[in-house]
Amino acid sequence: DTGVSQDPRHKITKRGQNVTFRCDPISEHNRLYWYRQTLGQGPEFLTYFQNEAQLEKSRLLSDRFSAERPKGSFSTLEIQRTEQGDSAMYLCASSPKTRISYEQYFGPGTRLTVT
Amino acid sequence: KQEVTQIPAALSVPEGENLVLNCSFTDSAIYNLQWFRQDPGKGLTSLLLIQSSQREQTSGRLNASLDKSSGRSTLYIAASQPGDSATYLCAGSKAAGNKLTFGGGTRVLVKP
Repeated sequence: DTGVSQDPRHKITKRGQNVTFRCDPISEHNRLYWYRQTLGQGPEFLTYFQNEAQLEKSRLLSDRFSAERPKGSFSTLEIQRTEQGDSAMYLCASSPKTRISYEQYFGPGTRLTVT
Repeated sequence: KQEVTQIPAALSVPEGENLVLNCSFTDSAIYNLQWFRQDPGKGLTSLLLIQSSQREQTSGRLNASLDKSSGRSTLYIAASQPGDSATYLCAGSKAAGNKLTFGGGTRVLVKP
């Protein structure tokens, strides 16, 4: 199995610009999660999908943030009108549908810097 | 609301010493607890997952225990090595397949 992949790995943008990140989960994993991690903190949940359905969104996910998972495969996370407070590592994870566990496997993350 | 705490935030030990990392959570209605390793600037690597029906899991030099009644999990790393230097994070979920709630992590330095 190839792991979870994320693109780009690093993104530097100016305040007010829009950015989009992509996540490709492990093949046949039906759940996909987005988290955000700031320096020195643990990751915080943003949203997750089961197949193409978005099942939960955190209150952290303001109306400037939108996530999609068309056809239940890869997912995109878009941030509109970026602010300096959006600077963080954006992590994607996926998990398989099993009756035993829902272990989450993480990608390498996308580091966003808003200048 | 589930809150997860890891104390201490940082730990330094000489090579060969056993590591004991603590994780506490406020809601005992926990479904899974996962331990992760994170190297600087990298993603998370899953180390061990303990289901609510289990009390411990082992993998090589790693052993994790779960005590739901006291709201605690402990990760033991035997005979630490400099390569074990990293941040260790614990995270719990309330239901199957649900989001993970993370602790702040414990940054470990193993000195040669």
